Amino acid sequence: DVQMTQSPSALSASVGDTVTITCRASQTVYSWLAWYQQKPGKAPKLLIYKASSLESGVPSRFSGSGAGTEFTLTISSLQPDDLATYYCQQSNIYPFTFGQGTKLEIK
Amino acid sequence: QVQLVQSGAEVKKPGASVKVSCKASGNTFTGFYFHWVRQAPGQGLEWMGIINPSGGSTVYAQRLEGRVTMTWDTSTRTVSMELRGLRSEDTAVYFCARDAGDRYFHYWGQGTLLTVSS
Repeated sequence: DVQMTQSPSALSASVGDTVTITCRASQTVYSWLAWYQQKPGKAPKLLIYKASSLESGVPSRFSGSGAGTEFTLTISSLQPDDLATYYCQQSNIYPFTFGQGTKLEIK
Repeated sequence: QVQLVQSGAEVKKPGASVKVSCKASGNTFTGFYFHWVRQAPGQGLEWMGIINPSGGSTVYAQRLEGRVTMTWDTSTRTVSMELRGLRSEDTAVYFCARDAGDRYFHYWGQGTLLTVSS
């Protein structure tokens, strides 16, 4: 299975900050990479797909980059509503696998 | 607008089976697939498998192979996931999700809590 490793596992930032979350794959997944946001008690929400494509309705403060084995999710101008856990996920090869999650706290 | 509405919470004993359903409404075009993802309490997300509603072909996560079956009912536009031989470690919230034919989970159900306990 493709192992997806996110860093950091948790981070704390202030409103207005820019934060970056990294996701590394144990083998190439080309651009078959998505980012999801999950708030407590809710289903995950797709933010970014195909490594850098913004899902319809998602604020442009969210952006993704990378290819191959290293990817980043950047959230600029952090808002209180961004409090959530963020997951990367590869769709290149079965079984599709997720990173362990990054819990974002707003200071 | 695509909507996925899942069946309600379940409590089962070890060794039993459960069937969770997910009714789809909205976009009626073909070319998409359904997935099941689960999340144990306080844990991350685990992909369980995929079903093509056009034909019913499936791919399951190897660790669940033999215990899981996913089906699609065209008449009710409902995708279902049956899990057999339940263990305590199957306690989780189970989500159905639908892609747009691109392997990404654009649409999600609200989740169904399964508790396995004696």
